[in-house]
Amino acid sequence: ETGVTQTPRHLVMGMTNKKSLKCEQHLGHNAMYWYKQSAKKPLELMFVYNFKEQTENNSVPSRFSPECPNSSHLFLHLHTLQPEDSALYLCASSQDMASGDDEQYFGPGTRLTVT
Amino acid sequence: AQTVTQSQPEMSVQEAETVTLSCTYDTSESDYYLFWYKQPPSRQMILVIRQEAYKQQNATENRFSVNFQKAAKSFSLKISDSQLGDAAMYFCAYRSADSNYQLIWGAGTKLIIKP
Repeated sequence: ETGVTQTPRHLVMGMTNKKSLKCEQHLGHNAMYWYKQSAKKPLELMFVYNFKEQTENNSVPSRFSPECPNSSHLFLHLHTLQPEDSALYLCASSQDMASGDDEQYFGPGTRLTVT
Repeated sequence: AQTVTQSQPEMSVQEAETVTLSCTYDTSESDYYLFWYKQPPSRQMILVIRQEAYKQQNATENRFSVNFQKAAKSFSLKISDSQLGDAAMYFCAYRSADSNYQLIWGAGTKLIIKP
């Protein structure tokens, strides 16, 4: 596969469940990102990893827990979510965060519904 | 703090016509980057065009061009000869040229192409 892949594409979970989202990039990039996309709202950056080190946590609730075992893989572990957490979760990667015009490459997203 | 505003939640255009999507931003910085990303229905977000604030010449990529008005803090996207494949959500984004790598996103404009 090429580019950025995400699994699963759709996820329905109850508030007491524990699940994980997976992202994999095949581009040799050094930075990876998790975004939350809600309808009619700007994308919300959740977490950033650069060379496997977390460099950003935008005040995300602890029920979201990221994991980056290597530069190609990124996980988002979910537990005791709330209905307002229902959204499209996008993963992205980029080559060089230090470069201002660094292009981000996005995965197709995971559509999460919390019941 | 920087903000990005897309005042048009939805736009429609006849196939083969030209359409302009608006984006304004607020910043006190002099050097930064601006981006337009496209998110087709159920498909991945991709970069359409980017502009560095220090470059006076407006960026162009085939049928896509920008009108960058730095003093007015405006960064509109013009799509010429609109095609059915241009139907998508279009997001404007801002990034500082300093060490803050975070993209600041607008809420998006849904572009509808009428055949």
